[in-house]
Amino acid sequence: AQSVTQLDSQVPVFEEAPVELRCNYSSSVSVYLFWYVQYPNQGLQLLLKYLSGSTLVKGINGFEAEFNKSQTSFHLRKPSVHISDTAEYFCAVSGIAGNMLTFGGGTRLMVKP
Amino acid sequence: DAGVIQSPRHEVTEMGQEVTLRCKPISGHNSLFWYRQTMMRGLELLIYFNNNVPIDDSGMPEDRFSAKMPNASFSTLKIQPSEPRDSAVYFCASSPGAREFFGPGTRLTVL
Repeated sequence: AQSVTQLDSQVPVFEEAPVELRCNYSSSVSVYLFWYVQYPNQGLQLLLKYLSGSTLVKGINGFEAEFNKSQTSFHLRKPSVHISDTAEYFCAVSGIAGNMLTFGGGTRLMVKP
Repeated sequence: DAGVIQSPRHEVTEMGQEVTLRCKPISGHNSLFWYRQTMMRGLELLIYFNNNVPIDDSGMPEDRFSAKMPNASFSTLKIQPSEPRDSAVYFCASSPGAREFFGPGTRLTVL
C-alpha cells in the first residue's frame, strides 16, 4: 500500500516569485509519481510524471519536479509563477505493478498580484 | 460519509463484451467526473456532469463509450463493445464546486 502527504494545504505567493509544493510518499514497493493540476471549475490535468530515468522531470507550464528516493519526496517547483497558476495541485503515486493511484490531499496555490 | 463509491472494484471481461461501471457520488455534490488512468497517459478526464447534465464529453475516446447520470446519486460509464486497449483503471470523482473527491477506482481488464 502507498500513502501520499502534501504538507501544505495552501501556499500563497506573489506573482513572479518562485514556489515549491511539497510531496512525500510512503510505499513498500517501487513507485511511479505524478503531479496533477486542477484549475477552478475544471477536471484534473496531468502536469508531469516520473516513471524511470532522470530524477528531474520537466512538465507543462514551466513546472518541474525532482524525485528523491532517499527522502521519499517528489516536490514540485516553478521558478516564477503567474496569476494563471492559481489552482489546486495534487501529488499521486502508484506501484509499478500498476496499482491504483493514491492521491495526496492537495495543495491550493494562490498567486497574488 | 462513505465517500465516492464505485463498483465493481475489479472487472475482467472478454473483447466484445459490454462493460458497465457504476458510481455513487458523495451526497450533496453537484459535479461528477469520470477519469481513465493508464501508466502511459496518466489520468484522463473522460466526461463530467454538473447537476446531472453532461457538460464536457470531449474526452470520451469514441462512440463505444457512453455515460449517463439519471439522478444525483448515480452514474454509469458503459463500454460496448469492449476492446483490450480499454484496459485501465477508471475513476469516478464528485465535487461540491471546488476540489474533487475520488472514488477507489475500477480496474478493468479486457482480454
